[in-house]
Amino acid sequence: DQQVKQNSPSLSVQEGRISILNCDYTNSMFDYFLWYKKYPAEGPTFLISISSIKDKNEDGRFTVFLNKSAKHLSLHIVPSQPGDSAVYFCAGDSGGYQKVTFGTGTKLQVIP
Amino acid sequence: DTGVSQDPRHKITKRGQNVTFRCDPISEHNRLYWYRQTLGQGPEFLTYFQNEAQLEKSRLLSDRFSAERPKGSFSTLEIQRTEQGDSAMYLCASSSSSGDTDTQYFGPGTRLTVL
Repeated sequence: DQQVKQNSPSLSVQEGRISILNCDYTNSMFDYFLWYKKYPAEGPTFLISISSIKDKNEDGRFTVFLNKSAKHLSLHIVPSQPGDSAVYFCAGDSGGYQKVTFGTGTKLQVIP
Repeated sequence: DTGVSQDPRHKITKRGQNVTFRCDPISEHNRLYWYRQTLGQGPEFLTYFQNEAQLEKSRLLSDRFSAERPKGSFSTLEIQRTEQGDSAMYLCASSSSSGDTDTQYFGPGTRLTVL
């Protein structure tokens, strides 16, 4: 049962352009959604989160949009930089014991 | 404190052997999590501690797996009678129950290879 789905395993974007990473979920109980970035040989690093009661959260070059009716969220990176090349995981947090459910990840490559 | 640390970073073992991994969380964090990640998948939750109490275990955690956090600081994850299917990256994360959100900070992981 994939509660969090990232249907695009990879994405290539030119430096300076916008990167849009998409995520769909099925669990209506998620209180928060999070995006993590992972470089090879490192653990995931928290990037940005959004509460289920909001539809947008922005932090510098990173913006997350949440569409609850569609059970869809997206991460926008503007402008994209080569250092953004990594695997991005979308995750849902259903509260309680703060158990986080991760998607399968999208590998972003930003081409200089 | 520079973050969550895990030891060892890599472990190669033969099927049937026991292995133990250690996680040192961020010092002020009272919550500690173990995850397992296999190729092409996101991290999968295994178990969760608040202080020294193990409050939740995933059904993925078979009886060959045991985790402890005896003093509410570092944690160990032991796998007994390892199987080839146990080969994965084992990730530890920690967080604080204070504040509005409970962002988890991950360690670099221990990559286990079972031959």
